[in-house]
Amino acid sequence: AQKVTQAQTEISVVEKEDVTLDCVYETRDTTYYLFWYKQPPSGELVFLIRRNSFDEQNEISGRYSWNFQKSTSSFNFTITASQVVDSAVYFCALSGSTYNNNDMRFGAGTRLTVKP
Amino acid sequence: KAGVTQTPRYLIKTRGQQVTLSCSPISGHRSVSWYQQTPGQGLQFLFEYFSETQRNKGNFPGRFSGRQFSNSRSEMNVSTLELGDSALYLCASRRGVEEKLFFGSGTQLSVL
Repeated sequence: AQKVTQAQTEISVVEKEDVTLDCVYETRDTTYYLFWYKQPPSGELVFLIRRNSFDEQNEISGRYSWNFQKSTSSFNFTITASQVVDSAVYFCALSGSTYNNNDMRFGAGTRLTVKP
Repeated sequence: KAGVTQTPRYLIKTRGQQVTLSCSPISGHRSVSWYQQTPGQGLQFLFEYFSETQRNKGNFPGRFSGRQFSNSRSEMNVSTLELGDSALYLCASRRGVEEKLFFGSGTQLSVL
């Protein structure tokens, strides 16, 4: 079975601070896909990034960066110089590739509050 | 291209009733997934349909069921509603297992 753990339930930072959201996953598949989604107060889930299991390169997109480490089964998300608009619930998700394992499972989410 | 459309947006039901929620995926997406979201519980996977067949199922009681039609539209049914079924029900579609999910705005179900 697949599982995603986001141990941080809530994080509060002050604007311009850097913040890292942790994500640890479990899967028996050798090919799998990892995702991060953002759910702002408006409620609609917004896709942020997708990474497949064969691509361990870290990725940077503006103030966002992702660190994928297969050795520790982690896919952490860092926001640099946080802004109030970053306040949202962030979900990490995992999709396997084999039958009965290829649905997308989400972690419990981390609520990030960025204070001005 | 139209996004994922869910109807209705809000529903109020009483215990013991049943409810049917509808979801129209993005054109060309044959996979439709359903999730239940409650405060503090994240997104709990209900089931996924692909080409009219249920491909995966989460750990929900048999009162939760679904189906997918030949045009990929999907419905979710909850029978004998309980107070604990109050939640936001999200539908999402994707082209394949390696692809991202596109989410609808959800149906907010309140059971009184």
